[in-house]
Amino acid sequence: EPEVTQTPSHQVTQMGQEVILRCVPISNHLYFYWYRQILGQKVEFLVSFYNNEISEKSEIFDDQFSVERPDGSNFTLKIRSTKLEDSAMYFCASDSSGSFNEQFFGPGTRLTVL
Amino acid sequence: GQQVMQIPQYQHVQEGEDFTTYCNSSTTLSNIQWYKQRPGGHPVFLIQLVKSGEVKKQKRLTFQFGEAKKNSSLHITATQTTDVGTYFCAGGSSNDYKLSFGAGTTVTVRA
Repeated sequence: EPEVTQTPSHQVTQMGQEVILRCVPISNHLYFYWYRQILGQKVEFLVSFYNNEISEKSEIFDDQFSVERPDGSNFTLKIRSTKLEDSAMYFCASDSSGSFNEQFFGPGTRLTVL
Repeated sequence: GQQVMQIPQYQHVQEGEDFTTYCNSSTTLSNIQWYKQRPGGHPVFLIQLVKSGEVKKQKRLTFQFGEAKKNSSLHITATQTTDVGTYFCAGGSSNDYKLSFGAGTTVTVRA
């Protein structure tokens, strides 16, 4: 069964450093998402991406965040200058036709900012 | 913006008992989805409801979408230890490409 993959599974970084989280969505999907889940809290929407551009972004997704689909398979989330409060699990998700369909989540990347 | 509220936050259930988790949106939804997240895992899609008043069943799980499309519930009968996890509702809007997740109901089961 096709699945969303994410690397790395755990990223530890120093405050102020840049990190890039990588995702490979399901190959025939068209809509891609990043979510964040701080430990013990709810899943929070960050950004949706379709047709090589951002469709929607939340208040959390400020200028320090950016997303890119550098090739036909990868979907990346870059955090330019990490802060302690960026420590969370970051989930990538994809679906075939927008928010009216099942979203397939990847296993997540746990980001720890020291 | 759209807000989705979910109660209760925690549900401790005796094995074999039933329970219900409720979800309410501040705005009318185009659809609502339910996800289950096992401890240490990622959200896994359970079901999507689209029609007003819709009811769907998956074995011991019954999902409802309210007539006004602003609330939903998940009812689990005869709880088993495999039901442990956090159940999230997530509301979709026809205006944007995002899901707004509720805070989740974390279920623990006493054997």
